[in-house]
Amino acid sequence: GENVEQHPSTLSVQEGDSAVIKCTYSDSASNYFPWYKQELGKRPQLIIDIRSNVGEKKDQRIAVTLNKTAKHFSLHITETQPEDSAVYFCAAIHDRGSTLGRLYFGRGTQLTVWP
Amino acid sequence: TAGITQAPTSQILAAGRSMTLRCTQDMRHNAMYWYRQDLGLGLRLIHYSNTAGTTGKGEVPDGYSVSRANTDDFPLTLASAVPSQTSVYFCASSSTSGGAYLYNEQFFGPGTRLTVL
Repeated sequence: GENVEQHPSTLSVQEGDSAVIKCTYSDSASNYFPWYKQELGKRPQLIIDIRSNVGEKKDQRIAVTLNKTAKHFSLHITETQPEDSAVYFCAAIHDRGSTLGRLYFGRGTQLTVWP
Repeated sequence: TAGITQAPTSQILAAGRSMTLRCTQDMRHNAMYWYRQDLGLGLRLIHYSNTAGTTGKGEVPDGYSVSRANTDDFPLTLASAVPSQTSVYFCASSSTSGGAYLYNEQFFGPGTRLTVL
């Protein structure tokens, strides 16, 4: 099966600085990579995703990059704000056989943005 | 619309007792999932169902069972609870319609916090 590793596990930044979270995956069959944000006590919610035929995708202050050769993808948050403080999860979707469509999650990164 | 709901919100359960966590969605999504979330371990898949009438095992299925009698409901049952099943449980669903199955967002329920003593 797929194995998704995520680093760092915790990240603290000053408001206005950038934050980068990195993930690697093991199975070359994975071809969709979503990122979820989970605020304290809330459910995970999708914030951005990328497909294997795209190298980079941006949405305002958030961007995701994908390197399929190296099997890694990253989340970039610029001009961080206190409301960006949350746990962020990367994930990969496996598109083979009986595990079609299953999401494999990284262990999460606790991002804290200090005012 | 309600989206995806879970019940109960929280529960304290004595070890050895059984319990069913309920999950209902009104989005007509074909696929549904159960995850458990433990500190430092992220979200781990317990069981999933790609369509009504079918289920599959995830990463941590032992001690849990599911059924998918219809599109909307996907209950998770603990037959004999143990303390290691103390966790927050999230149900999720996604659409499998059309050719974009792999790229459809998973929507999560609000979660059930279960404590087994």
